[in-house]
Amino acid sequence: NAGVMQNPRHLVRRRGQEARLRCSPMKGHSHVYWYRQLPEEGLKFMVYLQKENIIDESGMPKERFSAEFPKEGPSILRIQQVVRGDSAAYFCASSKGPDTQYFGPGTRLTVL
Amino acid sequence: KQEVTQIPAALSVPEGENLVLNCSFTDSAIYNLQWFRQDPGKGLTSLLLIQSSQREQTSGRLNASLDKSSGRSTLYIAASQPGDSATYLCAVYVGGGFKTIFGAGTRLFVKA
Repeated sequence: NAGVMQNPRHLVRRRGQEARLRCSPMKGHSHVYWYRQLPEEGLKFMVYLQKENIIDESGMPKERFSAEFPKEGPSILRIQQVVRGDSAAYFCASSKGPDTQYFGPGTRLTVL
Repeated sequence: KQEVTQIPAALSVPEGENLVLNCSFTDSAIYNLQWFRQDPGKGLTSLLLIQSSQREQTSGRLNASLDKSSGRSTLYIAASQPGDSATYLCAVYVGGGFKTIFGAGTRLFVKA
């Protein structure tokens, strides 16, 4: 059973471009969570999604950030008009229900 | 609001020493507590998961304890090795909020 998959593992964008981060949950998991780790800081919750629904986005910046988890395909975290402060590691986790979360390897975003 | 604190922030020990990493959380209403290892620039490796009804978990040289009533967990590493050098993260899963709250981590360096 493959673990949580994230791609790309590394992403470089120039200021003002869009970043799209993908997360494929473990097989059988319908709950996805996104976390951000800024340099030298711990992981911070961003958003919790179930298929086609955003359950909790209390940790997501109000502007430029959006997330979706469509009926088919991976969950997408989209950052529009990236700024240098968006440079961070973005981790995705999945679970079967409101239960133990399994984490992916992360995507490291660098904004030039 | 749940907060997770890890002490010490950094620790340097000689090889072979037994050591204890501490984690405290402010709200005892947790679903489970998990200890992770993170190597520089890498993802998270789950070390031990303790359900709220459990007192401890063991894996090899690692032992984690949980005292919900006092809001504390400890990670005990026996006979430390240079390969144990990494950042150790404590995280609590708050079932009601469906999110994992992370501590800032303890950076461990084991000298050969």
